[in-house]
Amino acid sequence: DAKTTQPNSMESNEEEPVHLPCNHSTISGTDYIHWYRQLPSQGPEYVIHGLTSNVNNRMASLAIAEDRKSSTLILHRATLRDAAVYYCILRDVLGGGGADGLTFGKGTHLIIQP
Amino acid sequence: DTAVSQTPKYLVTQMGNDKSIKCEQNLGHDTMYWYKQDSKKFLKIMFSYNNKELIINETVPNRFSPKSPDKAHLNLHINSLELGDSAVYFCASSQMTRGGYTFGSGTRLTVV
Repeated sequence: DAKTTQPNSMESNEEEPVHLPCNHSTISGTDYIHWYRQLPSQGPEYVIHGLTSNVNNRMASLAIAEDRKSSTLILHRATLRDAAVYYCILRDVLGGGGADGLTFGKGTHLIIQP
Repeated sequence: DTAVSQTPKYLVTQMGNDKSIKCEQNLGHDTMYWYKQDSKKFLKIMFSYNNKELIINETVPNRFSPKSPDKAHLNLHINSLELGDSAVYFCASSQMTRGGYTFGSGTRLTVV
């Protein structure tokens, strides 16, 4: 899987929007962009994924750059419960990419201030 | 209903013992995985299992062996446990070509 680059940590205030960036300049045409988060003492949790178009779900929005070399996970109104490590991961769904599993980097440690 | 369940949640054992961790998923997914998260919090894939095809991360010692009685279960057997095996082990499942992964809540293994 292609590599992603994320800031080590970010801090935000409760009830404000949070924009978590991810760079993936070597992304291939068959790579989906996945975001997961891991709350303290829990397993990773799926947040959202997309290919080219922006995506929205009940948890977050995913904004994908036109050249697909970067993306941003948007939490519209952060709560204390959103404090977690957020992982941006590329998943190639062709060539057996799914069977190789997700490759986790260090992620971004999101701190939410009350 | 828990989508991916692992047992036990905590496991403390002595060096040299053999232990197993069980994992079950009720999502109808066709691929299951085991991940290891060490003390530095890095998540590394150990195995993936799809339609009886096992893909092994080459860095995993052969003391670790996955066993899948059916597509809903992927158990992890560990022989001759070592201190360095202490970590949190996560089971996960996915539908191979689409969608996200669902992870279990983890098994914290402590080898003393």
